[in-house]
Amino acid sequence: DAGVIQSPRHEVTEMGQEVTLRCKPISGHNSLFWYRQTMMRGLELLIYFNNNVPIDDSGMPEDRFSAKMPNASFSTLKIQPSEPRDSAVYFCASSFSTGNYGYTFGSGTRLTVV
Amino acid sequence: TQLLEQSPQFLSIQEGENLTVYCNSSSVFSSLQWYRQEPGEGPVLLVTVVTGGEVKKLKRLTFQFGDARKDSSLHITAAQPGDTGLYLCAGERGSQGNLIFGKGTKLSVKP
Repeated sequence: DAGVIQSPRHEVTEMGQEVTLRCKPISGHNSLFWYRQTMMRGLELLIYFNNNVPIDDSGMPEDRFSAKMPNASFSTLKIQPSEPRDSAVYFCASSFSTGNYGYTFGSGTRLTVV
Repeated sequence: TQLLEQSPQFLSIQEGENLTVYCNSSSVFSSLQWYRQEPGEGPVLLVTVVTGGEVKKLKRLTFQFGDARKDSSLHITAAQPGDTGLYLCAGERGSQGNLIFGKGTKLSVKP
């Protein structure tokens, strides 16, 4: 398996533009997580899905953020409109929902909003 | 308020030295995991501890879960430059698999 695949690796966009981050989880994993990492706040959970259903989105900063998981092999995180304070590294991770198998993380998307 | 406090935040040592990093909380966790993250990459799982008092060894790394399942430590013996990275602890509460991460300890091992 190629692991969790995220795209793009880097994104630079202007304030006010829409940004879409993509994630392909490991085949067979039924939980998917979106995290944001900054120096100040570390890794923060934004939202997670079990069996493609959003379970907890309380970490989503505001209505500008939305996430979807239309099927077991694909998820998106969208920011519209983007703001400079959204600049961070966004990680997607997947796992089995039961047992202590840990998460497998993607390599992340480094987002810069100017 | 950070649910999981890691200390120290930064650690710079010479190759061959021993070190311990800590992960503390006032909350009880059903399991605790340790990850290592290298620049430009996502965190990679090192170990999961589940039982209070549990000790796990991974070559030169020793992980311990506190008796009350609120804290954990990672001890590295004879550190090597390849151990350099950000060490993150993450606690799981309940059975949903939702992990809460500490801010990490940034370790630098100089040759």
